[in-house]
Amino acid sequence: DAKTTQPPSMDCAEGRAANLPCNHSTISGNEYVYWYRQIHSQGPQYIIHGLKNNETNEMASLIITEDRKSSTLILPHATLRDTAVYYCIVRVDQGAQKLVFGQGTRLTINP
Amino acid sequence: DAGVTQSPTHLIKTRGQHVTLRCSPISGHKSVSWYQQVLGQGPQFIFQYYEKEERGRGNFPDRFSARQFPNYSSELNVNALLLGDSALYLCASNLQGYNEQFFGPGTRLTVL
Repeated sequence: DAKTTQPPSMDCAEGRAANLPCNHSTISGNEYVYWYRQIHSQGPQYIIHGLKNNETNEMASLIITEDRKSSTLILPHATLRDTAVYYCIVRVDQGAQKLVFGQGTRLTINP
Repeated sequence: DAGVTQSPTHLIKTRGQHVTLRCSPISGHKSVSWYQQVLGQGPQFIFQYYEKEERGRGNFPDRFSARQFPNYSSELNVNALLLGDSALYLCASNLQGYNEQFFGPGTRLTVL
């Protein structure tokens, strides 16, 4: 699985859009980009995933660059409950189900 | 519907002891994975089981073992506990063929 690079921490004001970047320059053609988040003392929670097209669900939007070497997770209207560690993971969508977590980005939403 | 459940929630052991952690997947999920999360780090993959067979193993010593039962629940066993085994142990389940994993709340293990 390709390696990902994320900023260790970010701040965002409540009500504003939170944009979390992720670099995955060694991603291969059959690897998907997954995002999970972990709120303090809870298990990780799946947010969204995509291959090359932009994706949107009720939680967030995922923007993947055309060359697929980076992506951005967008929380459109951040709330205090979005304060968490956000993990960007790149993996093939088959075979063993293991997720390779990095250090993630600690996102703090400020009132 | 109940999510992934794990027991116990907290556990304190001493070095050299063994421990058994339990996980019940979401109803209908046949795949269970185990992760270890040391304080300040992301979760690290330990095992994956599907239909009672081991399908993946992470870079953990043989002191770590697991099994899956006919009802798809799972146990993680750790023998000869070391101080470094202190961590949050997470269980996740998913439907085979679908890659969204659902995590339980974890078991916090402290080894003294």
